[in-house]
Amino acid sequence: GQNIDQPTEMTATEGAIVQINCTYQTSGFNGLFWYQQHAGEAPTFLSYNVLDGLEEKGRFSSFLSRSKGYSYLLLKELQMKDSASYLCAALDSNYQLIWGAGTKLIIKP
Amino acid sequence: ETGVTQTPRHLVMGMTNKKSLKCEQHLGHNAMYWYKQSAKKPLELMFVYSLEERVENNSVPSRFSPECPNSSHLFLHLHTLQPEDSALYLCASSMRYGENTEAFFGQGTRLTVV
Repeated sequence: GQNIDQPTEMTATEGAIVQINCTYQTSGFNGLFWYQQHAGEAPTFLSYNVLDGLEEKGRFSSFLSRSKGYSYLLLKELQMKDSASYLCAALDSNYQLIWGAGTKLIIKP
Repeated sequence: ETGVTQTPRHLVMGMTNKKSLKCEQHLGHNAMYWYKQSAKKPLELMFVYSLEERVENNSVPSRFSPECPNSSHLFLHLHTLQPEDSALYLCASSMRYGENTEAFFGQGTRLTVV
């Protein structure tokens, strides 16, 4: 079956760095998305990776290893507003999105 | 603001009621989606429309009925729901169906069935 695994919850300190991991098993692979969802708000697009390696976008970076079925989202210089859920989703061979349950990130002062 | 608007934001309905959720996008996207989001569970894709034609056939109970009158609007008609249907219902759109384009989500309708 198809599956996405990511931690349920993580806690980090303001100003620090946090890495949210995601492993996936899909029938074929056409890329991996990360979305951010604040409580009561719409999920918003953060990143898309289809090739191996690190993509940097300001304080946020996303990494992909296709051979390992693994991705991570790296958040630097954490701010209180980064408290949110982070959703990992992989595109299978039919371009269907397989979603993880999300990682709730709590930032403490 | 993502460009996708959902109404209402909150809805409480009895099991015998009939209600409808509305979604609107003016991003020029050709694909629209309904998702169900329950606490600590992955997003569940319910329905997909591409160019106003339903393209997915997920196993969704018939008490949920979608309607796509044009490429900018999507409805989810609800009737005789069960308490376990209480969840956040998210609408999304994307440029085209079946590609690696990002989805734009609405803020969702928080549905409570009593």
